[in-house]
Amino acid sequence: GENVEQHPSTLSVQEGDSAVIKCTYSDSASNYFPWYKQELGKRPQLIIDIRSNVGEKKDQRIAVTLNKTAKHFSLHITETQPEDSAVYFCAARADYKLSFGAGTTVTVRA
Amino acid sequence: DAGITQSPRHKVTETGTPVTLRCHQTENHRYMYWYRQDPGHGLRLIHYSYGVKDTDKGEVSDGYSVSRSKTEDFLLTLESATSSQTSVYFCAISVGGGTDTQYFGPGTRLTVL
Repeated sequence: GENVEQHPSTLSVQEGDSAVIKCTYSDSASNYFPWYKQELGKRPQLIIDIRSNVGEKKDQRIAVTLNKTAKHFSLHITETQPEDSAVYFCAARADYKLSFGAGTTVTVRA
Repeated sequence: DAGITQSPRHKVTETGTPVTLRCHQTENHRYMYWYRQDPGHGLRLIHYSYGVKDTDKGEVSDGYSVSRSKTEDFLLTLESATSSQTSVYFCAISVGGGTDTQYFGPGTRLTVL
């Protein structure tokens, strides 16, 4: 089955700086790559996603890039704010199932 | 929140007892999923359903069974709970079919003593 690796596991950034989280996947048939944000005690919430026919997608301060040849995709958060502090999960879909990375805990320092 | 509810939201039980968690949706989506979330493991798929009475296993299905007798309800059963099944359980639905975005329910925190 699909195997998704996510790095780093923790990330501390100064407010206003950028944060980058990277994920790799194993199944070349994967065609959909969502990113979820989870605040403490809450459900994972979709923040952005990308499909295999697109190389990059942006939504305000958040962007995702996909390199299908290398089988990796990344989340970029610019101008980080305290409310960006959370756990972020990447995922990859093959068939009808999502496989998730282990998560990155992002802390934004004021 | 895609009209997903889970019950109970919290449960404490003892080893060896049966436990059933319920996921309810209000929008008749065909695909429903059960995940467990543990520190360091992200979310792992237990079982999923692609229609009434149509279910399949995920990566961590041992010790769990599911049933879907109605479109709106997807039940997860631990036949004989063990301490290793202490976890947070999330239900999810796929909007627009199995190839589309998944949205999660609020979760159930299960503690097995």
